[in-house]
Amino acid sequence: DADVTQTPRNRITKTGKRIMLECSQTKGHDRMYWYRQDPGLGLRLIYYSFDVKDINKGEISDGYSVSRQAQAKFSLSLESAIPNQTALYFCATSDLRGTHNEQFFGPGTRLTVL
Amino acid sequence: AQSVSQHNHHVILSEAASLELGCNYSYGGTVNLFWYVQYPGQHLQLLLKYFSGDPLVKGIKGFEAEFIKSKFSFNLRKPSVQWSDTAEYFCAVSYSSASKIIFGSGTRLSIRP
Repeated sequence: DADVTQTPRNRITKTGKRIMLECSQTKGHDRMYWYRQDPGLGLRLIYYSFDVKDINKGEISDGYSVSRQAQAKFSLSLESAIPNQTALYFCATSDLRGTHNEQFFGPGTRLTVL
Repeated sequence: AQSVSQHNHHVILSEAASLELGCNYSYGGTVNLFWYVQYPGQHLQLLLKYFSGDPLVKGIKGFEAEFIKSKFSFNLRKPSVQWSDTAEYFCAVSYSSASKIIFGSGTRLSIRP
């Protein structure tokens, strides 16, 4: 089945460490997104990409970077993790042409920064 | 700025009660509207969506929503809730002039058995 997958599903790390979260999709969508979810704040957009080599900042991009290595892969990096980056991270995809930008979400990565 | 408001942060209902969750968005031209649900420990799943046509849209699991253009609203309804509807519900708006979706802050729904 077409799907959006994320690895790892859970990660505990220490302040100052660099970590990478991976997202892969088999939907053939050209648009990919990274969100973080915090209680009471909903989903906030970190970065998004409309195609390979296209990278756009979202509303909370500071402290994060991304790489779109291929149409199907979009990775999120925390260069030097800090405790307030503890959150649930979701990758999503969309295809504006067919579904009016409906987002399809991965299962999420729960990140804890100690 | 384009925004989405969900005024109810936490709603508690008994089983069989009727549900209405509010969603308002700021003006920005043509919109596509969505409701997503997140069951405990799971990712967001689409409940229903509105692009055009009949402003009353029906989704999965007995949910429906009505697009009222004059009020910039897209409220979610269900006539009789079940315990299994316990979840967080997110309204989202995609403006045709923009390239991404904006999510509301979510409404947590708790159902008493």
